[in-house]
Amino acid sequence: EAQVTQNPRYLITVTGKKLTVTCSQNMNHEYMSWYRQDPGLGLRQIYYSMNVEVTDKGDVPEGYKVSRKEKRNFPLILESPSPNQTSLYFCATGTGLPLHFGNGTRLTVT
Amino acid sequence: SQQGEEDPQALSIQEGENATMNCSYKTSINNLQWYRQNSGRGLVHLILIRSNEREKHSGRLRVTLDTSKKSSSLLITASRAADTASYFCATDRGRSGGGADGLTFGKGTHLIIQP
Repeated sequence: EAQVTQNPRYLITVTGKKLTVTCSQNMNHEYMSWYRQDPGLGLRQIYYSMNVEVTDKGDVPEGYKVSRKEKRNFPLILESPSPNQTSLYFCATGTGLPLHFGNGTRLTVT
Repeated sequence: SQQGEEDPQALSIQEGENATMNCSYKTSINNLQWYRQNSGRGLVHLILIRSNEREKHSGRLRVTLDTSKKSSSLLITASRAADTASYFCATDRGRSGGGADGLTFGKGTHLIIQP
């Protein structure tokens, strides 16, 4: 079954404590991307990757890092989380269009 | 900045009625897509319409695209309670000729179907 798996589903953490949100896909897709969704702002792209070792900034990359060491995984790293990064995060993958989304990670930074 | 903007922001109708949502965008596009999101879940792709197409159907969904007005509409016919969700249009900015890296989402229309 085609899947995009994000973990964790929910995370509450404190300011400054490094965290990683994982994303894994079993569809051999080259393209992977991270979005954040905030009320009134819709989905905004954080980073994307066109293939292994190829990553690029989206619209709101500040405060985030990503890596793409292997095709199936695209972790999102927050080195020093701040309260303004409290949001609902989605990983998406595809070979072009359309995109397949994970079920989301709800992050709260206090 | 957001490329696609949906209208209305929220829509509540009775089950069985048709629901129409609109999307306007600012720059030229290669294609436009509609996605659906159930509360707090990931987006699910509904339909894609290319810039050289004017109308497309998929089951109870009908999408139109007017590139001269830079707008698209999504019509859901004979709505059901299960259609309650948020609907997003997404346009590509042509960063790579219509690829996913150039995709920009609107803020969505929240559709509520009253039983």
